[in-house]
Amino acid sequence: AQSVAQPEDQVNVAEGNPLTVKCTYSVSGNPYLFWYVQYPNRGLQFLLKYITGDNLVKGSYGFEAEFNKSQTSFHLKKPSALVSDSALYFCAVTPGQGAAGNKLTFGGGTRVLVKP
Amino acid sequence: DAGVIQSPRHEVTEMGQEVTLRCKPISGHNSLFWYRQTMMRGLELLIYFNNNVPIDDSGMPEDRFSAKMPNASFSTLKIQPSEPRDSAVYFCASSLARTSGGTDTQYFGPGTRLTVL
Repeated sequence: AQSVAQPEDQVNVAEGNPLTVKCTYSVSGNPYLFWYVQYPNRGLQFLLKYITGDNLVKGSYGFEAEFNKSQTSFHLKKPSALVSDSALYFCAVTPGQGAAGNKLTFGGGTRVLVKP
Repeated sequence: DAGVIQSPRHEVTEMGQEVTLRCKPISGHNSLFWYRQTMMRGLELLIYFNNNVPIDDSGMPEDRFSAKMPNASFSTLKIQPSEPRDSAVYFCASSLARTSGGTDTQYFGPGTRLTVL
């Protein structure tokens, strides 16, 4: 069975400082990894995904994530955080093959608070 | 594109009543997913369809829950009878994936906030 862990319930960062949101995963075979963001009273918005290729993936709103197979991690990063980045962030994984290839498993979410 | 459309956005009902949630996926998408979000359990996949056919309903909590996809542009999630513990935000998502093993990005609707009194 696949699983995702987001070890931090909340991350606080000052505006302009680097932001990192941690994610580790467990899946059989090669993982397909996703990051989504949820603003209050809104649905999840897709940020970026890793399928194959370059371990550094660039996504929307200046976010990027680094896939590390040996550490089974897919941490989300932004070099300079904005107050508007304050939201709930979800990491998700799918095995990407077989009948369950489409089945996303989400982490518990990390709340990011960026202070002015 | 209007994105995934869900209705209603908010639903308040009394225990024992039937609740029907509706979803219109993005045009041209072949896969549709229903999720439930609660504080206690986070985001859970309830069921997903590929080409209008239910592929995996193992996340459906019990027989009170049912989902249908009569055509490529419409799906319903029904709870009958509803109970207070069903209170949650229900999301619909869709993706291009032409087969059940596809890995295309899922795009989410705004959700329906259900409150069962």
